[in-house]
Amino acid sequence: DTAVSQTPKYLVTQMGNDKSIKCEQNLGHDTMYWYKQDSKKFLKIMFSYNNKELIINETVPNRFSPKSPDKAHLNLHINSLELGDSAVYFCASSHYGAYGELFFGEGSRLTVL
Amino acid sequence: EDKVVQSPLSLVVHEGDTVTLNCSYEVTNFRSLLWYKQEKKAPTFLFMLTSSGIEKKSGRLSSILDKKELFSILNITATQTGDSAIYLCAVPPRYGNKLVFGAGTILRVKS
Repeated sequence: DTAVSQTPKYLVTQMGNDKSIKCEQNLGHDTMYWYKQDSKKFLKIMFSYNNKELIINETVPNRFSPKSPDKAHLNLHINSLELGDSAVYFCASSHYGAYGELFFGEGSRLTVL
Repeated sequence: EDKVVQSPLSLVVHEGDTVTLNCSYEVTNFRSLLWYKQEKKAPTFLFMLTSSGIEKKSGRLSSILDKKELFSILNITATQTGDSAIYLCAVPPRYGNKLVFGAGTILRVKS
């Protein structure tokens, strides 16, 4: 049973297109995250939701719009894709306030041509 | 600003060697420090160190936390090729339920 699952795992698209990545967790956690890992492998927080409410919104272009229909799902929609958006996007979940372990999905590798 | 710095950035060793990975941090109101291992896909949790648990061990891996000097080390003894991965160190900042990650150490173990 996959704990945190993301789809799709791979995305190749042209500049200017719009794309979405979906994430679901079955761990009963109330907090979900999107992290971006660039080509240098640096993992950086983008967004966090707690019980469907946005609680963290780092300095991310507003072309990126997260949506959480319920606490088990967190999607990421990206408009007008740019070359610099190429990265691996990781979804993660945890209990709120745990200050500890995050459970990560396997990542969605986005390549913008 | 909260910061995590890892060293070395990359390391190549032979099977059987012992390695030490370093993580120094600057964070207001320290709560915990975590180590993750990332092979091909998702980072997976190794250890969490807190004020009440400054030393952890699991098999050939062990980690200690020095709260006074603001660093942690991850030791791997008798390395195997399966230890090849990126090792990530992270801390939660003072505010916000998230983790701030270091840039990672890429470890390659040659047979």
